[in-house]
Amino acid sequence: AQKITQTQPGMFVQEKEAVTLDCTYDTSDPSYGLFWYKQPSSGEMIFLIYQGSYDQQNATEGRYSLNFQKARKSANLVISASQLGDSAMYFCAMRTPYSGAGSYQLTFGKGTKLSVIP
Amino acid sequence: DVKVTQSSRYLVKRTGEKVFLECVQDMDHENMFWYRQDPGLGLRLIYFSYDVKMKEKGDIPEGYSVSREKKERFSLILESASTNQTSMYLCASSLLLAGGNQETQYFGPGTRLLVL
Repeated sequence: AQKITQTQPGMFVQEKEAVTLDCTYDTSDPSYGLFWYKQPSSGEMIFLIYQGSYDQQNATEGRYSLNFQKARKSANLVISASQLGDSAMYFCAMRTPYSGAGSYQLTFGKGTKLSVIP
Repeated sequence: DVKVTQSSRYLVKRTGEKVFLECVQDMDHENMFWYRQDPGLGLRLIYFSYDVKMKEKGDIPEGYSVSREKKERFSLILESASTNQTSMYLCASSLLLAGGNQETQYFGPGTRLLVL
């Protein structure tokens, strides 16, 4: 069974500083995908960044980068130059390849609430 | 841009009522999903569907059913609402990639359901 662990229920960061949100995962499948989503207080889940298990380089999308350490099974999200609008819940999620019914789903962590301080 | 819409942002129902939550996506995605989100528990999958009239149970299907009569629409049904079904309900859709992993799920805005 797949499992995602986010050990930080809440984080604070000063505006313009960088912050790292932790995510560890557990799977026996060699092929998988890792996602990060942002959920502002309005409720919608916004896709931020994706990392495939066979990707050689860490994913980057603007101010977001993923620190992927496969041997340690960690996929930490790094947000550079934090902005007030980054205050939100952040969820790490994992998907494994289709191998029958039940494999299309994402497994989510419990989330980290990030608060950016002016 | 992918658009996933949900019929209501906020809903208040009474115990025992039958509740319908509707989700529509406009990107011809094969896969559609219903999650519920509760504080401290993250998102948990209720049901998903990978084709019209096809459905699969997720992690917490008890007390729920679903319907997918058209590709773009996926409905979540609470046959007899109970107070422990008070939650945020999120619908998502994704494209089916043969053998692939990189199918981002796109989410709707969510429905906050309160059952009294």
